[in-house]
Amino acid sequence: AQTVTQSQPEMSVQEAETVTLSCTYDTSESDYYLFWYKQPPSRQMILVIRQEAYKQQNATENRFSVNFQKAAKSFSLKISDSQLGDAAMYFCAYRRTNDKIIFGKGTRLHILP
Amino acid sequence: DAGVIQSPRHEVTEMGQEVTLRCKPISGHDYLFWYRQTMMRGLELLIYFNNNVPIDDSGMPEDRFSAKMPNASFSTLKIQPSEPRDSAVYFCASRLGQGGQPQHFGDGTRLSIL
Repeated sequence: AQTVTQSQPEMSVQEAETVTLSCTYDTSESDYYLFWYKQPPSRQMILVIRQEAYKQQNATENRFSVNFQKAAKSFSLKISDSQLGDAAMYFCAYRRTNDKIIFGKGTRLHILP
Repeated sequence: DAGVIQSPRHEVTEMGQEVTLRCKPISGHDYLFWYRQTMMRGLELLIYFNNNVPIDDSGMPEDRFSAKMPNASFSTLKIQPSEPRDSAVYFCASRLGQGGQPQHFGDGTRLSIL
């Protein structure tokens, strides 16, 4: 069965600094998709970034980028120039084509002013 | 373009009462998901539908919970009778099934059972 592991329950970073959130997953599939979702205190679930497993190039969305290591089954999220609005719970997620998404347990990120 | 719409936003009721949560997915999306989120258990998938047909309901906690999707633009999650341990935030999400399309979540319903 596929699993998603986020080993850091909580992290803190100074405002304007860079932070990396870790995620590993377990699968025997070769074709799948990976996502990072953000849940701020408002409780909305917001898509941050996504990656197709068949693409070698790491996805980037403004200050958010991923380090996708397919062989290692690792999918970390890097947030550059951290802002107070980045404070949230971050969920890593995995999905095979036409299947349900599997979420990790989340990493709570605190931004220190 | 409207996102996933859930109602009500908040619900407070006494135990034993029937609770109905509603969801309108994004138009054209063929997958619909119901989740429950609590501090203790995190985000749990309860059930999901594809083209209005339930595909996997293994996450539904017990017979008190039921979900329906009578058409492509509406789904309900019912709890009858409700219990205090059902208190949680319930999310609905929808997705277009093709390729790597992401799930889009509603704003959730915060349910409190007294």
